[in-house]
Amino acid sequence: KAGVTQTPRYLIKTRGQQVTLSCSPISGHRSVSWYQQTPGQGLQFLFEYFSETQRNKGNFPGRFSGRQFSNSRSEMNVSTLELGDSALYLCASSLAQGAGGYTFGSGTRLTVV
Amino acid sequence: GENVEQHPSTLSVQEGDSAVIKCTYSDSASNYFPWYKQELGKRPQLIIDIRSNVGEKKDQRIAVTLNKTAKHFSLHITETQPEDSAVYFCAALNTGFQKLVFGTGTRLLVSP
Repeated sequence: KAGVTQTPRYLIKTRGQQVTLSCSPISGHRSVSWYQQTPGQGLQFLFEYFSETQRNKGNFPGRFSGRQFSNSRSEMNVSTLELGDSALYLCASSLAQGAGGYTFGSGTRLTVV
Repeated sequence: GENVEQHPSTLSVQEGDSAVIKCTYSDSASNYFPWYKQELGKRPQLIIDIRSNVGEKKDQRIAVTLNKTAKHFSLHITETQPEDSAVYFCAALNTGFQKLVFGTGTRLLVSP
């Protein structure tokens, strides 16, 4: 079965722009979480969605937002991009809340110039 | 807030040796502990996980142990092979809050 699909794989944006990243979970998975991975900070939790509702949010500014659609696909948006937003953005899907077994997508590598 | 400490940050072993990576978590309500392997340029892959009602779990050459009292869990890899070389991350989840908190990673290098 298909894994977690993230698009696009690579993205280059300019400071001040906004960006939208997409994540399609494994078929049947209803929980989607987003993480930011950087060399200095490691893997940091952004937010988690289940049944189109944000269930938890990490310590990121309001410029980072997301949503989940009825088919469980999720998008995250970053507005007013800063150089420090350059990172690998990973999403992970799970069957349900508390189910564990998070499977990661290949990520979107965002570079802000 | 929740925190997961992971040691060592780098680990070099000879092929065939054992490798042990240790993690400590702060949130006593954490009840799910996965381990991920991330090769260069690739996504993190779940290699083994354990829940708080189990003390040990084994899958071929890898095993994880959990000490809930000490809030400590460890990954053990036996008979290491060069293809085990990667960065390994531990994580802890409080399923009530659905927030997977990761350790800072251990770079494992297995030399032939």
